Amino acid sequence: GNSVTQMEGPVTLSEEAFLTINCTYTATGYPSLFWYVQYPGEGLQLLLKATKADDKGSNKGFEATYRKETTSFHLEKGSVQVSDSAVYFCALYGGATNKLIFGTGTLLAVQP
Amino acid sequence: NAGVTQTPKFQVLKTGQSMTLQCAQDMNHEYMSWYRQDPGMGLRLIHYSVGAGITDQGEVPNGYNVSRSTTEDFPLRLLSAAPSQTSVYFCASSYTQGASEQYFGPGTRLTVT
Repeated sequence: GNSVTQMEGPVTLSEEAFLTINCTYTATGYPSLFWYVQYPGEGLQLLLKATKADDKGSNKGFEATYRKETTSFHLEKGSVQVSDSAVYFCALYGGATNKLIFGTGTLLAVQP
Repeated sequence: NAGVTQTPKFQVLKTGQSMTLQCAQDMNHEYMSWYRQDPGMGLRLIHYSVGAGITDQGEVPNGYNVSRSTTEDFPLRLLSAAPSQTSVYFCASSYTQGASEQYFGPGTRLTVT
């Protein structure tokens, strides 16, 4: 069945450092891919998405490219801020199921 | 718009008690769903609904019931609470079941003792 694998956290970075959070997926067909962000004490919010191979989703300085050949959707940001501290979830919709499947989440802590 | 609202924010139950977690949205979304969030396990789908009068089971439905009598409301009922149901519960809604953005409520933190 469909599944999403994210890198283990927590990830601790200094302000202005480069961020990569790895996400790989397993799915049949052509799923849509998402990154959601959860700030402390809040629900999840959509950060970005890509619906087909080679699409790049971007928002708030974050980017992720849908790579079908490596079944990956890694999240990147060139210069993180303290306000980016949150839990980031990679998610998949489509393929063999009609449900949104989430990864386990990666905690990012950015220190000043 | 209030978006997706959930009540209560916190709840403590004793084993065997029942309760209802409330969820409402004011965006006229057809699709609504309930997830539970547990450490190291991400979010797991409990039940979902594609419209008023229609519900279906997700990944972990046992011990929970839902109904969808209106477009706006999608309550989650715990029939007989167990410690394994200690979790954070999120309600979400979206225009359709497809790849559209899901909007999440702020969550309900439930502890079962």
